[in-house]
Amino acid sequence: NAGVTQTPKFRVLKTGQSMTLLCAQDMNHEYMYWYRQDPGMGLRLIHYSVGEGTTAKGEVPDGYNVSRLKKQNFLLGLESAAPSQTSVYFCASDQQGPGANVLTFGAGSRLTVL
Amino acid sequence: GESVGLHLPTLSVQEGDNSIINCAYSNSASDYFIWYKQESGKGPQFIIDIRSNMDKRQGQRVTVLLNKTVKHLSLQIAATQPGDSAVYFCAERKTGFQKLVFGTGTRLLVSP
Repeated sequence: NAGVTQTPKFRVLKTGQSMTLLCAQDMNHEYMYWYRQDPGMGLRLIHYSVGEGTTAKGEVPDGYNVSRLKKQNFLLGLESAAPSQTSVYFCASDQQGPGANVLTFGAGSRLTVL
Repeated sequence: GESVGLHLPTLSVQEGDNSIINCAYSNSASDYFIWYKQESGKGPQFIIDIRSNMDKRQGQRVTVLLNKTVKHLSLQIAATQPGDSAVYFCAERKTGFQKLVFGTGTRLLVSP
């Protein structure tokens, strides 16, 4: 059981380039999330999804887009990368209901924008 | 607005000691308070949660205490081990689909 898998683990981009981070979960969870983690700022929610075909904005959605075409996948896109988007990105999922507090996180994707 | 913060950014303890990690919160409407552990190079991992109508909850070697009067949450780790070295985050949420709000984290360093 792999849990939550993120690809790629590391990426370096130049300002203005685009890229997509892929998150895949094999737990049949309904809810999926994308967070970014910056030093001294904890985890901030970018976008989330409450089910296949749905997406919603979190705290810091500007500059990012997401898609959830399949229940097991949640994609995070950067259309035109900026240095301020240098961060570690974490994907997470949960089933809500009784297990709502138990998010399963991926190992993270470290993105550097030059 | 909502905020979840921590008193100390780094806590250093000796192996075998008990550790206490503190967290202050400001949103009295939160129904759940949760602790996560993040080891270096990994994603956060759920440790324990407590509902707002409880004062204390125990897990394996961990205890969470909630003091609603002063809006304070703490995580106690008994007999701290080197494997407990990590960053610990508190988080809060309300009932129903509500997103978790995470604090900034406390780093726990355990010396042999």
